[in-house]
Parts: sequence; C-alpha cells; structure tokens
Amino acid sequence: QSVLTQPPSASGTPGQRITISCSGSSSNIGSNYVYWYQQLPGTAPKLLIYENNQRPSGVPDRFSGSKSGTSASLAIGGLRSEDEADYYCAAWDDSLSGHYVFGTGTKVIVL
Amino acid sequence: QVQLQESGPGLVKPSETLSLSCAVSGFSISTGYYWGWIRQPPGKGLEWIGSIYHSGITYFNPSLKSRVTLSVDTSKNQFSLKLYSVTAADTAVYYCARHDSTYDYTDIRTDYLDSWGQGILVTVSS
Repeated sequence: QSVLTQPPSASGTPGQRITISCSGSSSNIGSNYVYWYQQLPGTAPKLLIYENNQRPSGVPDRFSGSKSGTSASLAIGGLRSEDEADYYCAAWDDSLSGHYVFGTGTKVIVL
Repeated sequence: QVQLQESGPGLVKPSETLSLSCAVSGFSISTGYYWGWIRQPPGKGLEWIGSIYHSGITYFNPSLKSRVTLSVDTSKNQFSLKLYSVTAADTAVYYCARHDSTYDYTDIRTDYLDSWGQGILVTVSS
C-alpha cells in the first residue's frame, strides 16, 4: 500500500489553475526529493517533475512542483483538455533499507 | 534515445513463477543507472517492485522482497524480473524503467524513473 497520500481526484475548467497535494513522512518526503509522474489514459507513466520543482525537457512550464516539510504539491496552470490524466507523486523512502514509494494517485478531470 | 521493451508470458498460473525481461536499446545498461520494475493492477495505482544496478546492487519493495529476484545481462543489454509463488493479486501491467539514482551537490539522494517501457499485462489465472 502507498505511503504517500494524494486526493483521489481534482478538477477544473480549461484555463484554470489546480493543485494536487502529496502527503508523506520524515523518512520519504521529509528527507528526500519529490517526483511527479503523469499517466495519460492507456499509456505508461511519464516523468513530469523531478527534484521537487525541476521540469524535464519538453514539459510545459504550466506544470510546477513545490515541497514543504513532509508534503508536496503539483500545480497545473492554464489547464488544458490534454492534461486529463492520472498524476502520481513519488519519493525515496529511507526506512527498511531504502525503497521507492509512489503516491495513491490523483485523477485530473477537465470539465 | 533510450527505449525499453518488456517481454514475457501474458498468462501465469497461480503458485508459479512470473518471468519478464526488458530489452534496452539506445543506451548501454553497463554504462550506469539502475534499472527498475514497476507494476499497476488493473484500475489501481503504481507499485515499485525493485531496481538493479549493472553491478548487481539491488533495492526491493519490502513487501515483495521475499518473492522477487532481479538480474542483469549486459551481453544482451537487458534485465529481468522473477516473481515467485504468484497469486491473482499479482495480476497487473508490469513496466520496466530506467532509474536514475545519484546524490546531488548537497548530498541529497535523487531518484527518478526517466524512461519507461510500454508495459505488459500479466494475468495470473488457472
């Protein structure tokens, strides 16, 4: 079971700004970087944000990440229909010899 | 540009062993990076299974560690997953991915999966 908690869904109209939260603990988000993955319907996940707030080449600057303490957030500005997807946060967890953990996932719906 | 492709049986019987391989092209796995496996049960979220370095160093999901073996074949530029004693709960799409794991200049560990295969559905059923 996931140790990073996300809201099941988030929605907005085109052009709006939405945020997705990710709550963890001191052994994961509290001491390591946070990553965000986007999974479009029927496709493999894609790295969206790395090291809390860095965008890989090709990711629009409408996507931004932040971290504070044991929580993180992903913001999507200027929401577009093609942003409708599942979003997962992730982090390395230092407990139990170290392992990678994903969030529970948030489905973004563009109304 | 690195590309990954999973292969293996799409159907495995309960109590048997699930075996998958991931062929890597466009990048030599012996150059560096970890190489990981992630799964996603139908309609559910992502679960990291484990990752292996070309030298054989491994990290595992604690909940699966007792049933998982990872291996690397540098001569074929591929890596593999074995999951033992499977049950219906192991039915999932299995993804392989390149796992970048380093320490930054402030000595903070960085880990991300930057290239993924398309995934392969494995069903556990008799």
